[in-house]
Amino acid sequence: RKEVEQDPGPFNVPEGATVAFNCTYSNSASQSFFWYRQDCRKEPKLLMSVYSSGNEDGRFTAQLNRASQYISLLIRDSKLSDSATYLCVVNMGGQNFVFGPGTRLSVLP
Amino acid sequence: DAGITQSPRHKVTETGTPVTLRCHQTENHRYMYWYRQDPGHGLRLIHYSYGVKDTDKGEVSDGYSVSRSKTEDFLLTLESATSSQTSVYFCAIGGSSYEQYFGPGTRLTVT
Repeated sequence: RKEVEQDPGPFNVPEGATVAFNCTYSNSASQSFFWYRQDCRKEPKLLMSVYSSGNEDGRFTAQLNRASQYISLLIRDSKLSDSATYLCVVNMGGQNFVFGPGTRLSVLP
Repeated sequence: DAGITQSPRHKVTETGTPVTLRCHQTENHRYMYWYRQDPGHGLRLIHYSYGVKDTDKGEVSDGYSVSRSKTEDFLLTLESATSSQTSVYFCAIGGSSYEQYFGPGTRLTVT
């Protein structure tokens, strides 16, 4: 089993839709979790950290489920500009960051 | 955007030649990282640094070495480039919060 797994997609959704991504991780001792977005041929950019209590930033909501070892990202009211690949990142301890392969989102007009 | 640059941005080199990639930051972050990104894989850590002259290996360190002689600069060297090292290389910086900020990347092709 890979350490961090994501549905590769692509997820094709119309503008205004709500879309959710899940990411599962294998190390139950993992402490820090993040979502990054990566545009084609660009660097990953931090979208949000994921806290135990869940957190929201505008149209984006991230949640952590430690019991089931997954994190989720919910995007409401999708915009064309949300089209990107979304990377789940898990810190497995120390400086051991494991990146998922990413989920590709296309928001269609 | 975080003040982090990489050079060169693109490079084509021949098998067996040494190659050095540079990462420069203006944020005074303690941690610096080198990753590679290949199709079908997530970003994979090559080496990281936790201070001047303090470095450690990551998941895919074979064939790579690093140096950090100043807080702002982190160099990645491919001692003898191979075709399997054709990739996109990203540098990142980070602090105590574990959040990382990435440079624009270097596309390296080894022929």
